[in-house]
Amino acid sequence: GAGVSQTPSNKVTEKGKYVELRCDPISGHTALYWYRQSLGQGPEFLIYFQGTGAADDSGLPNDRFFAVRPEGSVSTLKIQRTERGDSAVYLCASSEGTSGNEQFFGPGTRLTVL
Amino acid sequence: GQNIDQPTEMTATEGAIVQINCTYQTSGFNGLFWYQQHAGEAPTFLSYNVLDGLEEKGRFSSFLSRSKGYSYLLLKELQMKDSASYLCAVSLTGTASKLTFGTGTRLQVTL
Repeated sequence: GAGVSQTPSNKVTEKGKYVELRCDPISGHTALYWYRQSLGQGPEFLIYFQGTGAADDSGLPNDRFFAVRPEGSVSTLKIQRTERGDSAVYLCASSEGTSGNEQFFGPGTRLTVL
Repeated sequence: GQNIDQPTEMTATEGAIVQINCTYQTSGFNGLFWYQQHAGEAPTFLSYNVLDGLEEKGRFSSFLSRSKGYSYLLLKELQMKDSASYLCAVSLTGTASKLTFGTGTRLQVTL
């Protein structure tokens, strides 16, 4: 079956631009997570959705970052006024439920801000 | 806050056994996950421990001691394809869905 998919796989943008990163979770998974991974580091939690609502957005670094999941399936992570420090791999994961459930990760979007 | 410590790098020989340790200091510990991540790829789930003890799954086993804040991942009969980063992650009570990852241990398997 299909796993978690993310588009684009690579995104190069200029400082100050706006970007959108898309995540398509495994069908039927109610929970969806966004993480950010810098080189040589483990993934860093950003936000998690249970259904359509953001259940925990404590990891979003500032108000330039926003994420939506309007129909409880596909999610979009939006970054305004990008900065060079935003360059990282953005990983999306989904799971059937929440606590203790295996999170299945997508291949990530590599964002480079020039 | 939380603190998760793993060795940065390890090297082991094909066919051998390797143990990757993870220690954590957290408040409200719920459970511990191990993920494998090959370079340039997504992390893939290996194991989940919530109770003390050893969980065995084929060539991979994971151990947890809640009282000591300690876990290890044991890889047996190492194969070249096991060369990857191994990520330890904890979940906390009340925020059990959010994983906090360590920096990962990069394992190199040699002939």
